[in-house]
Parts: sequence; C-alpha cells; structure tokens
Amino acid sequence: GEDVEQSLFLSVREGDSSVINCTYTDSSSTYLYWYKQEPGAGLQLLTYIFSNMDMKQDQRLTVLLNKKDKHLSLRIADTQTGDSAIYFCAETPYSSASKIIFGSGTRLSIRP
Amino acid sequence: GAVVSQHPSWVICKSGTSVKIECRSLDFQATTMFWYRQFPKQSLMLMATSNEGSKATYEQGVEKDKFLINHASLTLSTLTVTSAHPEDSSFYICSARPPGVNSPLHFGNGTRLTVT
Repeated sequence: GEDVEQSLFLSVREGDSSVINCTYTDSSSTYLYWYKQEPGAGLQLLTYIFSNMDMKQDQRLTVLLNKKDKHLSLRIADTQTGDSAIYFCAETPYSSASKIIFGSGTRLSIRP
Repeated sequence: GAVVSQHPSWVICKSGTSVKIECRSLDFQATTMFWYRQFPKQSLMLMATSNEGSKATYEQGVEKDKFLINHASLTLSTLTVTSAHPEDSSFYICSARPPGVNSPLHFGNGTRLTVT
C-alpha cells in the first residue's frame, strides 16, 4: 500500500540546521512535497521535488531524495524561531495524480 | 503563485444548525478541489473530492448527507456541514491543483469550526 512516515518531533537550537526526514513506500511516486503548517493555519507549500531529481535547493531549504531507500529529507539552514511549525511530507502516487498522501507531520520546535 | 482562498477562517455555531464553508481558487480554474478534515495534532484526512459539474466523490466513512459538497463553478467549491454536532468541531481545509501535469496542491488557510 501507499504510506508516508515521519518522526513526530524535532527540537533544534536557533541558528543550527534542522533536518526533517520522511520515508515513503510507493516506488512509483511522481512528486514529493513539503508543506508547513503554523498554529491555527492551513498548509503552505514550501517546496516539492519530482521523483527523477535527487536534490533541490531554494534559499535556506534543501530537499534531498534517495529513491533507492525511498527517503526524503528537508534541511532548513540557520533555523529561526519563525520556522517553528509542523512540517508535512507528502507524495503523489503515479497511479493517481489527483491523490496526495500525507505523513503525520513533524513538529519542529526551536530553542534559544 | 496559485492562491486558494477559504472562508470563513473560523466559525462558531449551535448544535443542529448548518454551516457553509467556501473554497475559491483565485487565479486559476479548478475542475477538482479537495476537502480535508484535521483533528488536533493529527494529519489531514481527505474527506471528499469536489468535481465541477458533477457529484462529489466521498472517502470511505464520510457521510455524504452530513457533509454536502457543491462545486458550482470552476473557481468555487462549498462544503456545508448539516445539522452540526459538537463532534463535528474540527479544522477543515480545502485544496486545489492548478492546471498542468502534476502541478502541486495549494491549500486554503482552513476553517476552524466549533459547534456548541
């Protein structure tokens, strides 16, 4: 079946890098996404990567995709207090382009 | 970039009343929109797929008579929670996908519904 898993919590010191990890089971995934959800708000698309890419960088964000291990990571450089949020990993399976499967979300907290 | 607008942001209603939530795609046309429900500290649960000009497709376990979906135009989908009860209190989020092969989903800001 199709499943996306990620750890529930991550605590990082301000200024350090945050690395949020995600694993998925569908080897035919087309797009893999990272969304950010701040308290009481909807989901904000941070970045996404097509499954034929290995890496994508956008300012402080770096996405790494290891297709062999079905592992996706999001690295946030120079983590700031405004980065505190829940980060959701998601995938669109090739079998259904209209369907998106979310992980449970990783709550990132920043300590001074 | 693509924007999805959701209204209202929050609503409080009494048990037994109905509440309508709107989802609009502001700068693109969406033949399909999606409605999710999110429980506290949990991920999103897909409730239904809203199809312009035809009936919505509901996920297993979602009561179609309870959660009425209408996709009246290419930029508007509405979710009506009928005869609301306290257990319907939740965070409801819509999303839409701009045209283009495998374009990413964009989400509204969500509606927090509290039923008293």
